[in-house]
Amino acid sequence: KQEVTQIPAALSVPEGENLVLNCSFTDSAIYNLQWFRQDPGKGLTSLLLIQSSQREQTSGRLNASLDKSSGRSTLYIAASQPGDSATYLCAAISQGGSEKLVFGKGTKLTVNP
Amino acid sequence: KAGVTQTPRYLIKTRGQQVTLSCSPISGHRSVSWYQQTPGQGLQFLFEYFSETQRNKGNFPGRFSGRQFSNSRSEMNVSTLELGDSALYLCASSLVGGAPTEAFFGQGTRLTVV
Repeated sequence: KQEVTQIPAALSVPEGENLVLNCSFTDSAIYNLQWFRQDPGKGLTSLLLIQSSQREQTSGRLNASLDKSSGRSTLYIAASQPGDSATYLCAAISQGGSEKLVFGKGTKLTVNP
Repeated sequence: KAGVTQTPRYLIKTRGQQVTLSCSPISGHRSVSWYQQTPGQGLQFLFEYFSETQRNKGNFPGRFSGRQFSNSRSEMNVSTLELGDSALYLCASSLVGGAPTEAFFGQGTRLTVV
């Protein structure tokens, strides 16, 4: 059974800082790992999708890496801005023939001006 | 291209009632999944529908049910509502090809049971 953990649960940084969010998973036989952002009371916005054959994906100031052997993924945010404040969630798909996502509890990020 | 649309956005129901939530996926997407989000449990998978068939189901009681129509739109139903059913219900759509694909979420339906 896949379990996903995100540490830390909350993070507060000053504007401009580079930061790393961590995600670990127990079952290395994953198909995809996806990072999302959630603003309070809103739905999830997809940030990056890493397929199992890939090691990393980049979009603007965001870079996500995947290391299946160690069961870890990281989301790197460069030059953080107050608008990056949100909860960041990672989710894994580890079952063929299904789109079921297993989520971590998220990291709540606050970027202070 | 329109995103995933969930209706209604907010609902207040009384214990014992039933409720139906609706989700319209992105055009061309054939898989619709439902999730329940609560502060204590986080995001939990309810079920997934693909081509009008339930393909996967989470660990929720039988009071939670769903269906998918031929146009891929999906509904979920919760009967005999309990206070603990208060949550944000999120729907995700996926294109579905040979391998699992990127999931896109709607804004959710906030259900409050009083």
